[in-house]
Amino acid sequence: EDQVTQSPEALRLQEGESSSLNCSYTVSGLRGLFWYRQDPGKGPEFLFTLYSAGEEKEKERLKATLTKKESFLHITAPKPEDSATYLCAVQAYAGAQKLVFGQGTRLTINP
Amino acid sequence: DAGVIQSPRHEVTEMGQEVTLRCKPISGHNSLFWYRQTMMRGLELLIYFNNNVPIDDSGMPEDRFSAKMPNASFSTLKIQPSEPRDSAVYFCASTEEDRSNYGYTFGSGTRLTVV
Repeated sequence: EDQVTQSPEALRLQEGESSSLNCSYTVSGLRGLFWYRQDPGKGPEFLFTLYSAGEEKEKERLKATLTKKESFLHITAPKPEDSATYLCAVQAYAGAQKLVFGQGTRLTINP
Repeated sequence: DAGVIQSPRHEVTEMGQEVTLRCKPISGHNSLFWYRQTMMRGLELLIYFNNNVPIDDSGMPEDRFSAKMPNASFSTLKIQPSEPRDSAVYFCASTEEDRSNYGYTFGSGTRLTVV
């Protein structure tokens, strides 16, 4: 069974304090690993897709990396507007388009 | 584009009543997904459709849940009878089947409360 575990559950940082969120996964043939951002009261918003170990993607203050067992979302010099829940999901070749999500990391950036 | 549109945004109903949630996917997207989100279990896939045909309904919790997609622009998720444990936020998402690696687009969700 495909599984995704995210850590930590919650993270509180000061503005400008860089850190990383972790996503560990087990999947029978990874087709893609996805990162989403979710704000309170809204649906998840797509950020990145990573396909193979060693791949990196960047968007503003966010950089996602991928190994064979985990993915990291690095946040550099965060701002209060980066506060949100960050979700990781995997898509397996066997599961067609199905995404299996982790529980998310709730990130709070204090000014 | 208006994005994925869900209605209602909030629904409060009494146990035993029928509840119908509605979704309009993005025009041109031929894959549609229904997810449920709770604090305890996170986001769970209930069912998804390709070209209006249900492909995987293994996440539908029990026979009280049913989903339909009568055409490319509309889908419903029905719960009958509803129970308090069905309280959750229900999301609809859509994508193009051949471009699913670009991620789904989610709606804003329907917050269901069963009392």
